[in-house]
Amino acid sequence: EAGVAQSPRYKIIEKRQSVAFWCNPISGHATLYWYQQILGQGPKLLIQFQNNGVVDDSQLPKDRFSAERLKGVDSTLKIQPAKLEDSAVYLCASSISGGRTYEQYFGPGTRLTVT
Amino acid sequence: AQSVTQLGSHVSVSEGALVLLRCNYSSSVPPYLFWYVQYPNQGLQLLLKYTSAATLVKGINGFEAEFKKSETSFHLTKPSAHMSDAAEYFCAVSDGGNFGNEKLTFGTGTRLTIIP
Repeated sequence: EAGVAQSPRYKIIEKRQSVAFWCNPISGHATLYWYQQILGQGPKLLIQFQNNGVVDDSQLPKDRFSAERLKGVDSTLKIQPAKLEDSAVYLCASSISGGRTYEQYFGPGTRLTVT
Repeated sequence: AQSVTQLGSHVSVSEGALVLLRCNYSSSVPPYLFWYVQYPNQGLQLLLKYTSAATLVKGINGFEAEFKKSETSFHLTKPSAHMSDAAEYFCAVSDGGNFGNEKLTFGTGTRLTIIP
C-alpha cells in the first residue's frame, strides 16, 4: 500500500513570495490533514478535510494561507505572501473515516525555509 | 480544550537500559492517546494508541504505554534501549471527535538519544 505522498520535499523562498505544497493521501482515505511543525515543537493542525469539505480550519492563518482538496483526493496548501515565521515542516496526513481506526498516516513533509 | 505535556525535551539513555518518556494529558472528555515517533527527515509513525480498551498498550518495536487516569498520564516505556530507537517522540491526545473527525493535539516532543 502506497503511503502519503508530498512534494516538494524542500523549498527555499524569500519573504513575500508565494509557495504551494501538494499532498496525495492514501487511496480510500476520506480525511486529510495539514499540519505545521515549527522546529522544536509538535505538529499543529492547520486544516482538516472530510472528502472535499473543510471540517476544521480554526488555526489556519486565512489572510495568507489557503488550502483546497478538489474531488476529495489530492490537496494543495498555499502561502501567499510568505513570512519568515512560516519556516517550518508542513506535514500532510490522512485517515480512514468510517472505520474509527483513529490512526493518522503521515507523509514525509515539506521543509520550507523563508529567507 | 485538550492538551499534552511532555516532561523532558531531551532524554539520554545507555544502550540496553530502560527507556521512559513521560506524557501527561488534559482532556474534558475520556481521551484517546497516542505515541508517535519521528526519525530525521521523515514523517510521524504511530507507535501505539489507547482508545479506552486495555490500559496497558503494546506497540511496535517493543514499546508499551500505560494509561493512568488518576495521574492523567500515558508514559512510554521500553525495557531495553536499542541504537535504532534514537528519534523524536511525540505524545498526542484526541477527544475522539465526531464520526470521522479525529483531531490530534500534540506535545512538544522528546528527543531520545542512545548512548553506546
